[in-house]
Amino acid sequence: SQKIEQNSEALNIQEGKTATLTCNYTNYSPAYLQWYRQDPGRGPVFLLLIRENEKEKRKERLKVTFDTTLKQSLFHITASQPADSATYLCAPGYMEYGNKLVFGAGTILRVKS
Amino acid sequence: GAGVSQSPRYKVAKRGQDVALRCDPISGHVSLFWYQQALGQGPEFLTYFQNEAQLDKSGLPSDRFFAERPEGSVSTLKIQRTQQEDSAVYLCASSFLASGQGNEKLFFGSGTQLSVL
Repeated sequence: SQKIEQNSEALNIQEGKTATLTCNYTNYSPAYLQWYRQDPGRGPVFLLLIRENEKEKRKERLKVTFDTTLKQSLFHITASQPADSATYLCAPGYMEYGNKLVFGAGTILRVKS
Repeated sequence: GAGVSQSPRYKVAKRGQDVALRCDPISGHVSLFWYQQALGQGPEFLTYFQNEAQLDKSGLPSDRFFAERPEGSVSTLKIQRTQQEDSAVYLCASSFLASGQGNEKLFFGSGTQLSVL
């Protein structure tokens, strides 16, 4: 089965710095990859989608990269703010699994002012 | 409604009881998914509906779990004879497109937190 690995430890950074979160996957290469944000007691909220033929995607302060050679996606938040503190989930989508999303365990980000 | 609505928000059940969890997806959304999320983990797929058809139930952990979406809108996840290991947050998600088109984003509800004592 697919294994999705995200930073197991929480990431603590200072306000204004760039946060970089890692998502590694094994075996099959996903057709696309989504990133979600989840706040305590809430469901995940979609942030960005990147396809296998795209190297990079940007949206405001967010940037996602997708390296199929390294089997890795990086998620960057520039000029981070305390309001960015949340859990960030990586979710590759696999044709082999009927395009179901397979979620990682998530990385907790804490931005300190 | 404006978003995906799930009820109840919290459910406490005694071991052996049956429970029913409801999901109201965004109006017009074709796809509906149920996920189970344990504490500190990511959501795990349970089952998928395209309109009223249940196309994938490969993630349901046992035959005690049953889901339906009879009219292609509201869905119910039923768990019979609940066990302690069923304790988790159950998330419902919907999307406008049929799954498999590769570009759908999911809209999640806030989930139902089930505690089995």
